[in-house]
Amino acid sequence: QQQVKQSPQSLIVQKGGISIINCAYENTAFDYFPWYQQFPGKGPALLIAIRPDVSEKKEGRFTISFNKSAKQFSLHIMDSQPGDSATYFCAAKADTGGFKTIFGAGTRLFVKA
Amino acid sequence: ETGVTQSPTHLIKTRGQQVTLRCSSQSGHNTVSWYQQALGQGPQFIFQYYREEENGRGNFPPRFSGLQFPNYSSELNVNALELDDSALYLCASSLLAGSHEQYFGPGTRLTVT
Repeated sequence: QQQVKQSPQSLIVQKGGISIINCAYENTAFDYFPWYQQFPGKGPALLIAIRPDVSEKKEGRFTISFNKSAKQFSLHIMDSQPGDSATYFCAAKADTGGFKTIFGAGTRLFVKA
Repeated sequence: ETGVTQSPTHLIKTRGQQVTLRCSSQSGHNTVSWYQQALGQGPQFIFQYYREEENGRGNFPPRFSGLQFPNYSSELNVNALELDDSALYLCASSLLAGSHEQYFGPGTRLTVT
C-alpha cells in the first residue's frame, strides 16, 4: 500500500515532442505528489508538485495531471528538449506523520535532437 | 545561501567494515532525511532527524544509524557493511519536519566489495 508505481521505465522522444510519464498509488492518505528530476551524478531536484484538490498544475513546459478517483497522476513535458534528458521520479507523501516520501522507480528520458 | 553538501563523493569499503557519511544542510533548515538509492531505482527513505532527534525511520536495520548536530549537519553511519549496501546515499534538508519541500545533496556513492 506504500508503493508508487511508475511507467514507463524508459522513454525516447523526438525534440519538440511531448513526454508523458505515469504514476499510480494505493495509499489514499497521500496528499502531496512531487516530481523530481535527476541528472547523472546529481541528487534529485524538485520539478513540480501537486495536491489532490486540483486536477492539473502547469509550470512552464511541465504539467501534472491528477486523477484522484483513479489514484493516478502523470507528468507531461511539452516541447521536449535534449536538455530534458534525465531520470524522472514521481513521489508521494502524506501530511500526517509526513516525514516519509515514497518514490517511484524512475523513468529514464532521452530526447533525441 | 548554500545548498546541501555531502562528503565524501565516492567511497569504497570492504564487507564487514563501518562507514560514516556526512551531510551539511541548506542554511536555515533544521530537518534532514537520508535516502538510499540503489542503481536504477528510486530513493528509499532511511530516516529523518529533526532538532537532533530521530523523527521517523524506514525499513532499514539498526546497523543504519544517524546523528544530527546542533548546527543541523548530519551523519549516516552504517555498521557491518554488506554487498547490498552499495548504493548512492542522499541526504535532503527541509525547513521544518513537516515541510513537503526537500532539497537533495549530490549524494555519496558507496561501493562495498
